[in-house]
Amino acid sequence: EDKVVQSPLSLVVHEGDTVTLNCSYEVTNFRSLLWYKQEKKAPTFLFMLTSSGIEKKSGRLSSILDKKELFSILNITATQTGDSAVYLCAVEYNYGQNFVFGPGTRLSVLP
Amino acid sequence: ETGVTQSPTHLIKTRGQQVTLRCSSQSGHNTVSWYQQALGQGPQFIFQYYREEENGRGNFPPRFSGLQFPNYSSELNVNALELDDSALYLCASSQGQGVTYEQYFGPGTRLTVT
Repeated sequence: EDKVVQSPLSLVVHEGDTVTLNCSYEVTNFRSLLWYKQEKKAPTFLFMLTSSGIEKKSGRLSSILDKKELFSILNITATQTGDSAVYLCAVEYNYGQNFVFGPGTRLSVLP
Repeated sequence: ETGVTQSPTHLIKTRGQQVTLRCSSQSGHNTVSWYQQALGQGPQFIFQYYREEENGRGNFPPRFSGLQFPNYSSELNVNALELDDSALYLCASSQGQGVTYEQYFGPGTRLTVT
């Protein structure tokens, strides 16, 4: 069965800490892996990864994909309270005709 | 905010009824995907429409059906509602067949089935 697993499911840190969120997947005909941030309703796009070993960066956030070991990590450095959200990992597969999300990691950043 | 809109915002229905949810895609986008998100879970892919044709479907029964119109707006129809259908329904629009990485999500419709 095609699936995406995220860990941890929940994380509480203090401002300034660095966090690493994990995503592993098992799908047929992988096409891309995406990270989203969901604060209230609509998820917002963070990164799309298609190639192994190439780090994507945006400010304090970065992400990398390992297609051999079938996982990705999302790093957030110097966390801020505004980073508190659910971080979703999703995989596009079957030549773009299917899309599966993981359960998300709920990150809480305390002041 | 994205240019994707959904209506209604909230909806309460009774088990066995039928419901139609609507989504207007962002300007220039020709693909719409629908997702069901139960409380505390990640979104589940229902199906995707590209240029008025279904272009991929998740593991949902046939009572979940959809339409895409010539202006690329879309409807999600759910027949014979069940209690487990209570969820946030998200639509997302993107440009191009299967190019989901460019998708922009709408604010969602919260459906409660009693």
